[in-house]
Amino acid sequence: DIQMTQSPSSLSASVGDRVTITCRASQSIFNYLNWYQQQPGKAPNLLIYAASNLQTGVPSRFSGSASETDFTLTISSLRPEDFATYYCQQSYSIPYTFGQGTKLEIK
Amino acid sequence: QVQMVQSGAEVKKPGASVKVSCEASGYTFTSYEINWVRQATGQGLEWMGWMNPDSGNTGSAQKFQGRVTMTWDTSINTAYMELSSLRSEDTAVYYCVRQGQWLGNYWYFDLWGRGTLVTVSS
Repeated sequence: DIQMTQSPSSLSASVGDRVTITCRASQSIFNYLNWYQQQPGKAPNLLIYAASNLQTGVPSRFSGSASETDFTLTISSLRPEDFATYYCQQSYSIPYTFGQGTKLEIK
Repeated sequence: QVQMVQSGAEVKKPGASVKVSCEASGYTFTSYEINWVRQATGQGLEWMGWMNPDSGNTGSAQKFQGRVTMTWDTSINTAYMELSSLRSEDTAVYYCVRQGQWLGNYWYFDLWGRGTLVTVSS
């Protein structure tokens, strides 16, 4: 199985900050990488697919990039509604594994 | 409205089975694969398996093989996930998820049900 390792596990930031979350795959996954946001008590919501493609309706302050087996999710200027948990997921091979999550909290 | 509506919460005893339903609406049911993902309280997301209502194929994570059965009824646009031999570690929220695609081979989960809480307790 492909292991997905996110860092950090938690992050404190303020409204207006720029934040970056990293996800590393245990092997090459050729940009088959998705990012999801999960608010407490809610189902996850797709933000980015294929490493850098913004899902329809997702604000442009979210962006994704890739370099080899390392992937990043960047939020350019945090808004209050962005404080949530973020997960990466590889869709290169079954089983489709997720990272352990990054909890973004208000400082 | 494009959505996936799941069945209500369940409480089961260890060793029993649970069957969760997921009714899709607003899109052509047979045009998308459906996956099942679970999440224990305070934990991360765990992929369980997939089903293709058009081809009839299914697949599951090795961890669940032999215990999970995914079925569907295209006449009512509803998918089902049955998990047997339940144990306390199966207590979790179970999500059905539509699998979208880009360029024919980039897959992602673009439509989630609200989740069904399954509690396994004696």
